[in-house]
Amino acid sequence: NAGVTQTPKFRILKIGQSMTLQCTQDMNHNYMYWYRQDPGMGLKLIYYSVGAGITDKGEVPNGYNVSRSTTEDFPLRLELAAPSQTSVYFCASSPLGNTEAFFGQGTRLTVV
Amino acid sequence: KNQVEQSPQSLIILEGKNCTLQCNYTVSPFSNLRWYKQDTGRGPVSLTIMTFSENTKSNGRYTATLDADTKQSSLHITASQLSDSASYICVVSGGLDSWGKLQFGAGTQVVVTP
Repeated sequence: NAGVTQTPKFRILKIGQSMTLQCTQDMNHNYMYWYRQDPGMGLKLIYYSVGAGITDKGEVPNGYNVSRSTTEDFPLRLELAAPSQTSVYFCASSPLGNTEAFFGQGTRLTVV
Repeated sequence: KNQVEQSPQSLIILEGKNCTLQCNYTVSPFSNLRWYKQDTGRGPVSLTIMTFSENTKSNGRYTATLDADTKQSSLHITASQLSDSASYICVVSGGLDSWGKLQFGAGTQVVVTP
């Protein structure tokens, strides 16, 4: 079972560059999330989506954008990368908003 | 201030021994509390999920308890194995109007030594 798949696993960006983190799930979940995890801190919600075509900001959305054109895919776009965006990014999905969430393996991003 | 506090920050235990991790939260209203295991370099994996009416829930050698009155939870690992070395994260879900906004603890790093 694939579950939640994230690509790439690692990436180094230069300041000011842009990139898209890919996330796809094969469980037909309506709800999808993007989190970032910084050392010694709990995961912080960046954006979430309740279904195709519907997205909303989380706790730390600045510097990021998302789209949800299909149920399966929820890409995260970084525009004008900054060192503060160095982090590990996790995509997750759940069947309903208040049920168990399934996480991808993460993308480790370094901005230099 | 983080609404989910975990202790200890880290601990080292001998293989075969038991240990207990603590989680205190201030999230209100409360919907459910989850414990996740996160291996190094991997995403979190769910161990248990409890609603306010559940006092205890087990998953193999992992047993979680919940006291919704005192807003405390614990995760007990029995007969630890080397594969239990990981970060254990307590996550609290608020009411239905905040379903998408889980509150994460910083995690307890557990190292099991031979």
